[in-house]
Amino acid sequence: EPEVTQTPSHQVTQMGQEVILRCVPISNHLYFYWYRQILGQKVEFLVSFYNNEISEKSEIFDDQFSVERPDGSNFTLKIRSTKLEDSAMYFCASSEARGTGYGYTFGSGTRLTVV
Amino acid sequence: AQSVTQLGSHVSVSEGALVLLRCNYSSSVPPYLFWYVQYPNQGLQLLLKYTTGATLVKGINGFEAEFKKSETSFHLTKPSAHMSDAAEYFCAVSGYNAGNMLTFGGGTRLMVKP
Repeated sequence: EPEVTQTPSHQVTQMGQEVILRCVPISNHLYFYWYRQILGQKVEFLVSFYNNEISEKSEIFDDQFSVERPDGSNFTLKIRSTKLEDSAMYFCASSEARGTGYGYTFGSGTRLTVV
Repeated sequence: AQSVTQLGSHVSVSEGALVLLRCNYSSSVPPYLFWYVQYPNQGLQLLLKYTTGATLVKGINGFEAEFKKSETSFHLTKPSAHMSDAAEYFCAVSGYNAGNMLTFGGGTRLMVKP
């Protein structure tokens, strides 16, 4: 069964550093997403991406965050100048069409720890 | 706007017993409803979804859920729990015209006792 692959599985970074979280969506999917889950809290939507641009973003997704599809396979989330409160599990997802009725496929997540 | 409430952050059942995980939602438009499962160190896996049509939805691993509009509920059930069902379960909602965004509940950790 096709999978969404995320790397690394764990990342530890110092406060103020930049991190890039990487995702390889399913090859024929066109819509890409990032969600995060702070420990003990709900899974929260960050951003959706289609046709090389952001289609929706939440209030969490401020200027500190950016997304990119640098080539035909990778989808990245960059966090500039990380803060302690950015520590969370970050999930990438993809879907073949717009609209949640199609369902997403989620990756296993990257646990980011900011120290 | 949508929101989801999952009653009970932890549920413990005996192997072979009925599993019932509760989910209530609010939505200003007709909802799409989802249950996801997360096993340790794994991603979120779709168990089942309701979009339109039959209100009783069957999913993988013997789970099913019923959409009850009058109760704004989408509870997840399984007649007989198995040890392998131990995981965290998330209910999620989106509006049918709300684009791509899922709103998740807080999750329920299911423990299965032998």
